[in-house]
Amino acid sequence: AQKITQTQPGMFVQEKEAVTLDCTYDTSDPSYGLFWYKQPSSGEMIFLIYQGSYDQQNATEGRYSLNFQKARKSANLVISASQLGDSAMYFCAMRGPPGANSKLTFGKGITLSVRP
Amino acid sequence: DAGITQSPRHKVTETGTPVTLRCHQTENHRYMYWYRQDPGHGLRLIHYSYGVKDTDKGEVSDGYSVSRSKTEDFLLTLESATSSQTSVYFCAISESRQQNQPQHFGDGTRLSIL
Repeated sequence: AQKITQTQPGMFVQEKEAVTLDCTYDTSDPSYGLFWYKQPSSGEMIFLIYQGSYDQQNATEGRYSLNFQKARKSANLVISASQLGDSAMYFCAMRGPPGANSKLTFGKGITLSVRP
Repeated sequence: DAGITQSPRHKVTETGTPVTLRCHQTENHRYMYWYRQDPGHGLRLIHYSYGVKDTDKGEVSDGYSVSRSKTEDFLLTLESATSSQTSVYFCAISESRQQNQPQHFGDGTRLSIL
């Protein structure tokens, strides 16, 4: 079974500073994908970044990067140069090998508030 | 943005009534999913579809049924709504089952059952 753990309480960051949102995962599959989604107060789910279990390099996408530590089973999202529009809930999710449904397993999310 | 439309966007109904939520996509993706989002639980899979008329259960499927008669439409039905089904419902689509493929989500339907 797959499990995603996001335990940080609400996070606060000053505008223009960097912030790290923690995610740990558990799976017995050697092949998997890790995703981060952003959910602003308007409610939509926005895909941010992907990391594959066999990827040698950490994924980056603009101001987003993923600090992937496979041995520790962690996939932390780093947001550089925070902006007010980054205030949202952030979800870490995992997708296993192409199986019966290849569903996304989500963590419970972390709320990020960016202060001006 | 992925072409995913959920309808209705908001609905209030009474316990015991049937409710149908619709997800319509213009991406011609094979895989479609219904999730529900509740505080403290993240998103949980209700049902999914891997093709026309091909559907299966997710982890919280009790009280829900689905149908997919066309590639573009995936319907979620609450046969007899209960207050525990008050939630935000998201439809998602995916081009393939590969683990590197993100799922793209609709804007959600906020359902309140009184």
